[in-house]
Amino acid sequence: NAGVTQTPKFQVLKTGQSMTLQCAQDMNHEYMSWYRQDPGMGLRLIHYSVGAGITDQGEVPNGYNVSRSTTEDFPLRLLSAAPSQTSVYFCASSSAPKETQYFGPGTRLLVL
Amino acid sequence: AQSVAQPEDQVNVAEGNPLTVKCTYSVSGNPYLFWYVQYPNRGLQFLLKYITGDNLVKGSYGFEAEFNKSQTSFHLKKPSALVSDSALYFCAVRDRNRGSTLGRLYFGRGTQLTVWP
Repeated sequence: NAGVTQTPKFQVLKTGQSMTLQCAQDMNHEYMSWYRQDPGMGLRLIHYSVGAGITDQGEVPNGYNVSRSTTEDFPLRLLSAAPSQTSVYFCASSSAPKETQYFGPGTRLLVL
Repeated sequence: AQSVAQPEDQVNVAEGNPLTVKCTYSVSGNPYLFWYVQYPNRGLQFLLKYITGDNLVKGSYGFEAEFNKSQTSFHLKKPSALVSDSALYFCAVRDRNRGSTLGRLYFGRGTQLTVWP
């Protein structure tokens, strides 16, 4: 089973460039989330979705956009990359609030 | 506001000794509680969760956690540590009583566990 997949695994951007981090899950999960992980900061929630067409902001949404047109996909868009967005990004999904959240392998992003 | 605290950035134990990784939370109402583990350059893996019922929850790899409602704690424990348990451990909480924020999972900052031979 594929579970949660993320592409790309690594990316280098220049300041001001835009890009989309892809996330897909094949478990028919309604709940999906994007986190960023920085040293000493744990995981911080960027955006999340409780179903197709429904998204909401997390703790650190500035500079990021999301959409959820299908149950399977939850892309994260960086509108104009900044060095402060250098981080490791994780996508996760779950079927319900009480259920386990499954994480993708992560995308390492470096913004120069 | 919901929050999760892991008061120790690092925990060091000798192999074979018991280990405890601490977690306290602040959530209005009754939470769902989770522990995840992260090995280097990997995503997070689920260890165990508390939903309801018995306060002692058993999970993967011999880990267990005890839910203490009065102390709002959910400490992770293992009777006998292994070198292979060395990793970064995250406590997480989800508020079951909120409507629009049901999808939100709040994480602690993580505790680096090192088990030395």
